[in-house]
Amino acid sequence: NAGVTQTPKFQVLKTGQSMTLQCAQDMNHNSMYWYRQDPGMGLRLIYYSASEGTTDKGEVPNGYNVSRLNKREFSLRLESAAPSQTSVYFCASRAQGALDEQYFGPGTRLTVT
Amino acid sequence: RKEVEQDPGPFNVPEGATVAFNCTYSNSASQSFFWYRQDCRKEPKLLMSVYSSGNEDGRFTAQLNRASQYISLLIRDSKLSDSATYLCVVNKAGGGNKLTFGTGTQLKVEL
Repeated sequence: NAGVTQTPKFQVLKTGQSMTLQCAQDMNHNSMYWYRQDPGMGLRLIYYSASEGTTDKGEVPNGYNVSRLNKREFSLRLESAAPSQTSVYFCASRAQGALDEQYFGPGTRLTVT
Repeated sequence: RKEVEQDPGPFNVPEGATVAFNCTYSNSASQSFFWYRQDCRKEPKLLMSVYSSGNEDGRFTAQLNRASQYISLLIRDSKLSDSATYLCVVNKAGGGNKLTFGTGTQLKVEL
């Protein structure tokens, strides 16, 4: 099992450019998540999907959109990148139970100039 | 008040020392609790779940105090390889299967 995979690993964008971060999991998990991590801020939830076909805003959704393409895949789109979106982005997945752990992908390091 | 609060550290300890981290959470209805470990420039990974009765996994012991709403992690006989950031994580009750992460406590184990 690959677990949670993310592409790309690194990306540099200019202000105003758009891009999509891809995430896939092979653990048959219902829930998937997108976080950003900035120094001193910890992990902040951008969007999540409790199950296929549903998505909900997290703590910091502005400037982002998501698509839960199927049970395996959950993509994050930046329509018009801003320097404030420079961050490390992690995708994660989780089964349904309260005691279930969350598995993370290796992250995407995004720089917006 | 933050939902999950941790002392950011860093905690600098010599190899072989015992070190303890505390974490407080604000939502008394929280259901489940975890400690995750994050190495520099890597993704977080589960270290251990925290059960009401307390639990131990080798050199690591986790405790939960629901009355005071805090969670602790004790590391005995610290190794150089324990150097990392430790994240306190709480499952939000009624939160749609979401977890809330603390900002982490950094541990540096030195020779």
